[in-house]
Order: sequence, then structure tokens, then C-alpha cells
Amino acid sequence: LAKTTQPISMDSYEGQEVNITCSHNNIATNDYITWYQQFPSQGPRFIIQGYKTKVTNEVASLFIPADRKSSTLSLPRVSLSDTAVYYCLVGDSGTGFQKLVFGTGTRLLVSP
Amino acid sequence: GAVVSQHPSRVICKSGTSVKIECRSLDFQATTMFWYRQFPKQSLMLMATSNEGSKATYEQGVEKDKFLINHASLTLSTLTVTSAHPEDSSFYICSARQGSGETQYFGPGTRLLVL
Repeated sequence: LAKTTQPISMDSYEGQEVNITCSHNNIATNDYITWYQQFPSQGPRFIIQGYKTKVTNEVASLFIPADRKSSTLSLPRVSLSDTAVYYCLVGDSGTGFQKLVFGTGTRLLVSP
Repeated sequence: GAVVSQHPSRVICKSGTSVKIECRSLDFQATTMFWYRQFPKQSLMLMATSNEGSKATYEQGVEKDKFLINHASLTLSTLTVTSAHPEDSSFYICSARQGSGETQYFGPGTRLLVL
């Protein structure tokens, strides 16, 4: 079962770029890397998913090195509304169900 | 993106009663649905995985007779907390996936308070 390790918390200011790195040393060949955002009392919201190299969408970029043992979520020019918990997950392809096991997540606080 | 709904959004019940929570995928057919529980300031804990038309697979430590899961159709899964007790008070979140390897989309969650 692939596990992930993220910083518990990060602080930033409005307008800055935030990079959250996640390590997943035991990632399996078939596993994708997925990042979710969660606000208090809400379900997690899908941000981005990737397998290798770089993926970019309208809200974030995901950088994955060749060995895939880590990944970095990049949030450009954060705002106060980006204050949330960010979870990095990899699938558990061994079960066949590819269930997602949540780690502690990174609590991002964006200040004015 | 895909939309998953939950009903009710919050429920308060007396100890000993049963509570049913519905999870629906609104714009896609979900072959697999997952149920999570989240306590304050903690991460999500997977409770069980259900595939349409088959029995749910429960995580270790989750009582299958207490948390009944039914995935009767490709758009609906229900979680019934039977004989609820105050320690069952939590935030219950479902997610749905269209197929193996597909992205999981989460519902908004259901806040359960057992008095």
C-alpha cells in the first residue's frame, strides 16, 4: 500500500506561488498521483492528477520527477480562498479497487 | 467535473436509532463508491468500498453490521448507521468513480450528531 508524506502545514501570503511537495517512495507502476483540496465541513475537491512529468490545468500544476517517488503541487498566485487542506494520494492498484488512502494532508494558510 | 450529492447534509438523532445517508452520482454512472468518515481536525478514514450489485468490502476495524452499505444501482449508494451512539458522531463523506483507474469525485459530506 503506497503511503504519502506531506508537510503538516504551510504559510503563505496572497499573490505568492505555493509549492507543496509529497513523497511516495513505494508508488506502484500503475498508480496515478492525485491531489485534492478540502475546506472545512466540505468533501474533498479534485484539483489535478498525473502519472509522470508535468500536468497543468486552470488551477494548478503538478510536477512529477522521472522516478515518481515524489510530486509537487504548484499553486500560482494564491489568494485567501486557497486556505484549505491539500491531500496528495496515490492509488492502491494492488487491491483491484484502487482505493485511496488519505494521509495527514497539508494545511495551507494564506494571509493578506 | 462529475457531481456527487449526499443527503441529508446534516442529521441529528437520538442514541439507539438508525440513520440512512444517501450518495448519488448525478451525471455519471459509478461502478464503485467509497464511504469515508472524518473526525474534527483529522484526515479522512476509508470505511468501505462498494461495487454495484455486490457486497461492500469493509476496512479493518469497521463493523459491517453497524454500517450497512447498499449499492443497488450505478448512481446510488446508501450508508445506514444502525443503533447509532454518540461516538458515531462524525462527518461522513462518500465518493464515486466511474471505472477502475478513474478519478474519484467526492460528495459534500453529511454531518451526523448522535445525542
